[in-house]
Amino acid sequence: DAKTTQPPSMDCAEGRAANLPCNHSTISGNEYVYWYRQIHSQGPQYIIHGLKNNETNEMASLIITEDRKSSTLILPHATLRDTAVYYCIVVNDYKLSFGAGTTVTVRA
Amino acid sequence: EAGVVQSPRYKIIEKKQPVAFWCNPISGHNTLYWYRQNLGQGPELLIRYENEEAVDDSQLPKDRFSAERLKGVDSTLKIQPAELGDSAVYLCASSGFSPGTGIFGYTFGSGTRLTVV
Repeated sequence: DAKTTQPPSMDCAEGRAANLPCNHSTISGNEYVYWYRQIHSQGPQYIIHGLKNNETNEMASLIITEDRKSSTLILPHATLRDTAVYYCIVVNDYKLSFGAGTTVTVRA
Repeated sequence: EAGVVQSPRYKIIEKKQPVAFWCNPISGHNTLYWYRQNLGQGPELLIRYENEEAVDDSQLPKDRFSAERLKGVDSTLKIQPAELGDSAVYLCASSGFSPGTGIFGYTFGSGTRLTVV
């Protein structure tokens, strides 16, 4: 399974963009990158996913490098409710393998 | 669209007692997953079902854990007997195409928080 590496924690000011990096240097050509977040005492919540192209939805943007070895999740205007653990996952054979994620704290 | 439903939400039991968790996946999702999440860690896969067949149970501790998915819809995860180290959140997820959007996705339930005392 392709492994991912994320910083353990990061802070962000409310209203500013939060850029969350993820390294996945062993990703295979047909493996997708998924991002989930988990707010305390809740199940993981889907944010966005992509294969090669950059993606955007109502929650976030996903920037994938051309060699696909890393990606960045962008929360354009962070709010206090975005405080959560964010997981970057490379999906292999329909299996999500979670790492430790990045704990994002949005500060007023 | 209803999400993945799990029950109970919380469970406290004494060690050596049995416990069971129930999961109802999103309608039409053929694949169902059970994960265990220890405090401060990411979820770890226990078992994956394709319809009623367990296609990946390599991480399921088979001496005390069992799971079933009769009729390929609802699923039950059981622990017998429970040990102190089994205290964790047990998450159920399902995957498939959304009837509304046609997008393939993975959806998690809210989990069952088990405390073994």
